Amino acid sequence: GQNIDQPTEMTATEGAIVQINCTYQTSGFNGLFWYQQHAGEAPTFLSYNVLDGLEEKGRFSSFLSRSKGYSYLLLKELQMKDSASYLCAVVDSNYQLIWGAGTKLIIKP
Amino acid sequence: GAVVSQHPSRVICKSGTSVKIECRSLDFQATTMFWYRQFPKKSLMLMATSNEGSKATYEQGVEKDKFLINHASLTLSTLTVTSAHPEDSSFYICSAPPGGDAHNEQFFGPGTRLTVL
Repeated sequence: GQNIDQPTEMTATEGAIVQINCTYQTSGFNGLFWYQQHAGEAPTFLSYNVLDGLEEKGRFSSFLSRSKGYSYLLLKELQMKDSASYLCAVVDSNYQLIWGAGTKLIIKP
Repeated sequence: GAVVSQHPSRVICKSGTSVKIECRSLDFQATTMFWYRQFPKKSLMLMATSNEGSKATYEQGVEKDKFLINHASLTLSTLTVTSAHPEDSSFYICSAPPGGDAHNEQFFGPGTRLTVL
């Protein structure tokens, strides 16, 4: 079966750095997305990785290792507004999006 | 970025009634749209893929006669929850990839929160 694993919840301090991991086992791989979702709102796009390596975009970076079936989202200089759920999603060989359950990130002052 | 709208944002209805939710791509054409539902503290669950000009493709376990999907034009897809029951209460979200494929970035509508009394 297809499976995406993320931690259920993480807590970090304002101004700090946090890394949210995502491991996947899917039938084929055609890219991995990270989305941010605030409570009661729709997800918004953060990043897309299809090749191995680190993609940096401002305070957010995303890393992919296809051989390990692993990705992480790195958030730097955390702000209170970063409190949200972070969803990892993989595009499989049929170009279907497989969603993880999301990681709820709690930022404390 | 591309904009997807959804209407209504919130609806409360009585058990047994039908509710229609609209999803529109405002500044691009969407040959494909996706409909999701999300229960509290759970991930998105794909219900169906809406295809302009053809029948929707439903995921396993989703009743096509209960969740009617119509992709009337390149910018509009509708989801009708027929004979709604309290267990249908959920957050319904549509998305559209401007490129038409799931491996493109998805733009999500703001979601519709359905409460069935």
